[in-house]
Amino acid sequence: DAKTTQPPSMDCAEGRAANLPCNHSTISGNEYVYWYRQIHSQGPQYIIHGLKNNETNEMASLIITEDRKSSTLILPHATLRDTAVYYCIVRGSTLGRLYFGRGTQLTVWP
Amino acid sequence: DTEVTQTPKHLVMGMTNKKSLKCEQHMGHRAMYWYKQKAKKPPELMFVYSYEKLSINESVPSRFSPECPNSSLLNLHLHALQPEDSALYLCASSQDPLTRNTEAFFGQGTRLTVV
Repeated sequence: DAKTTQPPSMDCAEGRAANLPCNHSTISGNEYVYWYRQIHSQGPQYIIHGLKNNETNEMASLIITEDRKSSTLILPHATLRDTAVYYCIVRGSTLGRLYFGRGTQLTVWP
Repeated sequence: DTEVTQTPKHLVMGMTNKKSLKCEQHMGHRAMYWYKQKAKKPPELMFVYSYEKLSINESVPSRFSPECPNSSLLNLHLHALQPEDSALYLCASSQDPLTRNTEAFFGQGTRLTVV
């Protein structure tokens, strides 16, 4: 599975959009980009995933560049409850394995 | 229902004890996973079950013994653990082990302390 690079931490004001970047320059054509988040001491929560097209659901939007070497998770109106560690994962393996990198600690402040 | 239920939520055990962690899902998922997470670290994959068969063991010590009695249930049997095994143990499931296009759902974990 391709490795990912994320900034270790980011801040965002409540009500503003949070844009979390992820680099995955070695991604191959059949590998999906997944985003999860983990609020302190809870299990990881699925957010969104995509292959090449931009995706949107009730939680977030995922923008994948045309060359697929990077992506951005967008939380359109961040709230204090969005404070968490956000993991970008490139999933290429079968058997559904997810390998977590270090993630980005997002802190939303009032 | 996208719930994966883990019991117990907290467990304290001595190094000579035998205990088991339990994980259940009723979503019809055919892949189930155990992860271990130490404080301030990302989750690390331990085991993968695909259609109730152990498919991946990430070189986990034998004091951890997984079991999948049926498609809804996953156990992790613990024996002769060390204090460094203290961690949050996470269970997850996903619908189809053979596709990359399917999300995994995680339980809330069991916080294990070995004394």
